[in-house]
Amino acid sequence: DVKVTQSSRYLVKRTGEKVFLECVQDMDHENMFWYRQDPGLGLRLIYFSYDVKMKEKGDIPEGYSVSREKKERFSLILESASTNQTSMYLCASSLSRAGNTIYFGEGSWLTVV
Amino acid sequence: TQLLEQSPQFLSIQEGENLTVYCNSSSVFSSLQWYRQEPGEGPVLLVTVVTGGEVKKLKRLTFQFGDARKDSSLHITAAQPGDTGLYLCAGAEDSNYQLIWGAGTKLIIKP
Repeated sequence: DVKVTQSSRYLVKRTGEKVFLECVQDMDHENMFWYRQDPGLGLRLIYFSYDVKMKEKGDIPEGYSVSREKKERFSLILESASTNQTSMYLCASSLSRAGNTIYFGEGSWLTVV
Repeated sequence: TQLLEQSPQFLSIQEGENLTVYCNSSSVFSSLQWYRQEPGEGPVLLVTVVTGGEVKKLKRLTFQFGDARKDSSLHITAAQPGDTGLYLCAGAEDSNYQLIWGAGTKLIIKP
């Protein structure tokens, strides 16, 4: 069965802290994505990666960075967390073409206080 | 930037009623996907429509892709409380790794 696993379901961090959100997929997918989801705004793409060590900015990359050292792992980094980064973060993966199914993790709820 | 307008944003109806959710764009998509997201979970794919005019059925859910591949609808017949969730549409372009997402329809079916 297809699986995307996000390491943390719920986190509470202080303003200014560095935050790592880890994601692992077991499907040998080329593409991996990080989205944030906020009520009324839908899914907004932060960064995506179409290959190891490759990354592309999405619609809202400011304040975030990513790392993809291995094909199965895609990490989202908040260098200095701020309260406006309180959100639900969703990791996802897919095979190479845009029309392929995207498989999502269960999400990470981040609260920055 | 391509937009995918999804409506309504929120719908609360009684069990047994019918409903339709719409996704509209001014641009053409190569395919369109519908996802459902339950509280505390990530979205899960329901269906992908590819051909203009295509209709797909999933039990009480009927999905249609517009003839011009610019719009899509999801119709639920005799809604059940188990249909409660956030429904998301997403359009794909062949030239792009990314999907274009609608903002979602939050559906509540009351027993």
